[in-house]
Amino acid sequence: EDQVTQSPEALRLQEGESSSLNCSYTVSGLRGLFWYRQDPGKGPEFLFTLYSAGEEKEKERLKATLTKKESFLHITAPKPEDSATYLCAVRGGGSNYKLTFGKGTLLTVNP
Amino acid sequence: NAGVTQTPKFQVLKTGQSMTLQCAQDMNHNSMYWYRQDPGMGLRLIYYSASEGTTDKGEVPNGYNVSRLNKREFSLRLESAAPSQTSVYFCASRTPTGTSGGWSEQFFGPGTRLTVL
Repeated sequence: EDQVTQSPEALRLQEGESSSLNCSYTVSGLRGLFWYRQDPGKGPEFLFTLYSAGEEKEKERLKATLTKKESFLHITAPKPEDSATYLCAVRGGGSNYKLTFGKGTLLTVNP
Repeated sequence: NAGVTQTPKFQVLKTGQSMTLQCAQDMNHNSMYWYRQDPGMGLRLIYYSASEGTTDKGEVPNGYNVSRLNKREFSLRLESAAPSQTSVYFCASRTPTGTSGGWSEQFFGPGTRLTVL
């Protein structure tokens, strides 16, 4: 069974203080690792897809990286508007349609 | 292009009542999904529809039924609501192929917040 563990559960940063969120996964044949952002009261918003170890994707202050066991979401010089819950999900080789989600990391960036 | 829309946004039911949550997408996506999100549990798949005319159970299907009415619409029905079904329900849709050529991302609706008393 595919499993996803995100850490920390919550992270509080000062504006401009860079940090990383972790997503550890166990899957049988990774077919894709997905990062989403979720604002309070809204649905998840897609950020990145990573398919193979060594792959990196960037968007503004966010950079996602992937190894064979985990993914990191690096946040460089965050701003208060980066405050949200960040979700990680994986698609394993045994499932054509199912994503397994982690519980998320709640990021708060203080001005 | 509205993306994925869900109705209603909020609903309060009494135990035993029934209701249908509606979902529609205007992106011509083949696959559609229903999830529930509970505090400390993450998103869990209830049912999905790989294409028009097909539906399959996900991780937590008990107490729910679905209908893929056409390519655009995918509804979720609670026949006899229970307090354990208090949750936020999200509908999502997905194209067959992603921007990188692999399995594509899912696009989520804004959610329906359901309380069962």
